Order: sequence, then C-alpha cells, then structure tokens
Amino acid sequence: DSGVTQTPKHLITATGQRVTLRCSPRSGDLSVYWYQQSLDQGLQFLIQYYNGEERAKGNILERFSAQQFPDLHSELNLSSLELGDSALYFCASSVVDRGEAFFGQGTRLTVV
Amino acid sequence: AQKVTQAQTEISVVEKEDVTLDCVYETRDTTYYLFWYKQPPSGELVFLIRRNSFDEQNEISGRYSWNFQKSTSSFNFTITASQVVDSAVYFCALNDRDDKIIFGKGTRLHILP
Repeated sequence: DSGVTQTPKHLITATGQRVTLRCSPRSGDLSVYWYQQSLDQGLQFLIQYYNGEERAKGNILERFSAQQFPDLHSELNLSSLELGDSALYFCASSVVDRGEAFFGQGTRLTVV
Repeated sequence: AQKVTQAQTEISVVEKEDVTLDCVYETRDTTYYLFWYKQPPSGELVFLIRRNSFDEQNEISGRYSWNFQKSTSSFNFTITASQVVDSAVYFCALNDRDDKIIFGKGTRLHILP
C-alpha cells in the first residue's frame, strides 16, 4: 500500500458527461501528480501541484482541469467526455519536489 | 527537451536467467533525477529506485541492480536470477527542472517458468 488513495476505483460513464476523480496524497506529501495511462500512449503526464499551486503542466486537454485543496487532496475534473478518454488515471504524491513519487491504485475510466 | 527511451518493448527470459532492461534519457539540465517503477499485472505502479544526476554509484538491492552512466545517458536495470514474480512492465522515468516526471514507454518482461 503506497499510502495514496484514489477514488473511485472504477467509473463507467457516457460520452458528453463530466466526472471528478479524487486523490488523497500520503500524509505529509505536498506534491501531487496526475497521469493518464492508455494502451497506445503509455503514461502521460497531465499536471502537477505543489502545496496548492500548479507547478507543471503536460499535454492536458482543455476539457480537463485539476486543483489541489488546502488539505492537499486533489481532484481531476474531466468534462465533455469522449470514447478516447477511456484510460487508467493515476495520482501520485511526493514529499518534496523531484522526490520519488508514490502512486495510487488508479481510477479506471470507461466512457461508453 | 526531456525524453526517456526504453528500446526494448518486450522481453522474455526463462526463470533464473539474468535480464537487463535498458533506459536512455535526454535532458539539457545538469541536475536531474532518474527513477524505475514496476507495474505488475495487478496494475499498480511500484517505486523501485531514485537516483540523482550527481551520484553515479551503482546500486544493488537484493536481486536488483542499477547501472547509471552519465557518459552514455543511460540508467539500466538488471534483475539477477529472475523469478516468475518479476513479470511486469518496468518503466524508467526522468525528472529535471521542469518538475514533470516523464516516463518511457515501458518494457514488458515475461519470466517463463
């Protein structure tokens, strides 16, 4: 158990809908990362927050947004969902910048 | 720009053989960090090792060892006396000044009994 909690574990939703994925980092970790893993694209970096502030951004679609709250948990919002958004979404946390990141179990999103 | 290349897409070896997974990285920075992660069939990503760019000492942890060579921008991972439980996808990753952790495409390792 990495100590990073992601909910829900599985999500099935229809095209055009909006979902929110939640991540609770390990106790004391200030940095949260979000990744998308699909079969053809591998692990794609989406966005990173550090102590509530956006620190780095990857190729995150405009339909996707994220935030980190004062209690350090983070949410990833995906809207206007398309079939191609079906993937495993991982959250990871680390205690310091560039420290080892520990990953949650992931949320498997299926868009039908 | 940052880049991590794992040229071996898939490797199969027989149990007890040694196997080396290759990782080549690109970065413009002098300070950076390299990682290896394991993703077993259950799907979680398990942290294995972190190495900073100023520490070129090789590391050994049980049957696992890592060889970091800045001169060739490589950070290779060797499993000695492989076991079926080592079957997984292994990812090499890089974090430099951009603060993103960029992953390679992964190497799928099959250990055959």
